[in-house]
Amino acid sequence: AQSVTQLGSHVSVSEGALVLLRCNYSSSVPPYLFWYVQYPNQGLQLLLKYTTGATLVKGINGFEAEFKKSETSFHLTKPSAHMSDAAEYFCAVSDPGGGADGLTFGKGTHLIIQP
Amino acid sequence: NAGVMQNPRHLVRRRGQEARLRCSPMKGHSHVYWYRQLPEEGLKFMVYLQKENIIDESGMPKERFSAEFPKEGPSILRIQQVVRGDSAAYFCASSPGRGSYNEQFFGPGTRLTVL
Repeated sequence: AQSVTQLGSHVSVSEGALVLLRCNYSSSVPPYLFWYVQYPNQGLQLLLKYTTGATLVKGINGFEAEFKKSETSFHLTKPSAHMSDAAEYFCAVSDPGGGADGLTFGKGTHLIIQP
Repeated sequence: NAGVMQNPRHLVRRRGQEARLRCSPMKGHSHVYWYRQLPEEGLKFMVYLQKENIIDESGMPKERFSAEFPKEGPSILRIQQVVRGDSAAYFCASSPGRGSYNEQFFGPGTRLTVL
């Protein structure tokens, strides 16, 4: 069974500072990996995903993430935080072998941007 | 190009009543997923449907919950005899095909409150 751990339910950074949101996964096979963002009272929007190929993935809004198989991690980063980045961020994994159709989500990290 | 539509956005029910949640996938998508988000939790997969077929219901509670995706019309998630523990946000997602590399596009969710 797959699982996702997001370290830190709340992360606070200053505007202009580096954003680092951590995600570790547990899976019997290397999964596909996703980061979603959720703004208040809205659905989830895909930021980026890793399936195969280059392990450094660039997404929307200046975010990127790096798949590190040896560390079973897929941490999300952004060089300079903006006030509009304040939201809930979810890391998710899926089974590339088709063993399960749904995504497995972490509990989420609430990103707070300090002015 | 309308996204995934869900209605109602907010639903209030008393214990013992029925709740019906509707989801219209994106145009051209015939794959629908339902997820439940409890307070302070990530999304949990419930069920995956294609037109007229339930493909994977491994995340559905065994009793009171059912889902359908008819040939015509939206997908319906039905909860009979609701209890307070059913209070949650229910999200629908659609994708253009099966396979975990396909992006799932999420709707805005239905927030169910059971009094």
